[in-house]
Amino acid sequence: GENVEQHPSTLSVQEGDSAVIKCTYSDSASNYFPWYKQELGKRPQLIIDIRSNVGEKKDQRIAVTLNKTAKHFSLHITETQPEDSAVYFCAASIESGSQGNLIFGKGTKLSVKP
Amino acid sequence: SAVISQKPSRDICQRGTSLTIQCQVDSQVTMMFWYRQQPGQSLTLIATANQGSEATYESGFVIDKFPISRPNLTFSTLTVSNMSPEDSSIYLCSVEDGPNTQYFGPGTRLTVL
Repeated sequence: GENVEQHPSTLSVQEGDSAVIKCTYSDSASNYFPWYKQELGKRPQLIIDIRSNVGEKKDQRIAVTLNKTAKHFSLHITETQPEDSAVYFCAASIESGSQGNLIFGKGTKLSVKP
Repeated sequence: SAVISQKPSRDICQRGTSLTIQCQVDSQVTMMFWYRQQPGQSLTLIATANQGSEATYESGFVIDKFPISRPNLTFSTLTVSNMSPEDSSIYLCSVEDGPNTQYFGPGTRLTVL
């Protein structure tokens, strides 16, 4: 089955710096890759996703890149702010229309220091 | 995106008892899922709640321990049966609103004594 590895497990940056979180997956059939942000005591929130027919997607300060050959994808946050502090989870699934089995990475705790 | 609510938001239960968690969505959705998030850990899919048929369970989860109902396209329940302290977790439902795009409910924080 699919296995998703996520690195680093913790990341500390200064406000204004960039943060990069990387994930690798094992199943070459996976074609949908979402990222979730979970603040303490709250639900995971979908912040951005990418499908295998594109290599990069941006939404303001957030971008995700995908390398299908190498089976890895990354989250990039630019100009980090203290409110970006949270746990970020990557996930992978096969977009089959029958079951949406999201397999999650173990998470990255991002701390942005003012 | 769909608005998802869960009841209860938290509960403290005694060992050996059962708790039923409800998940309500404000619109009809085809796919609903139940996840478990143990303290400080990632999310693990328990099962897919199928409307009109038995839920589809992931490896390591069984119907006798986690019975699921899905009576219609806006509602599902997850029961945690014969609880032990190891069942202490956050239980989250999610719905698919768009191709493979899942949104999560607020979660139910369960503590088993």
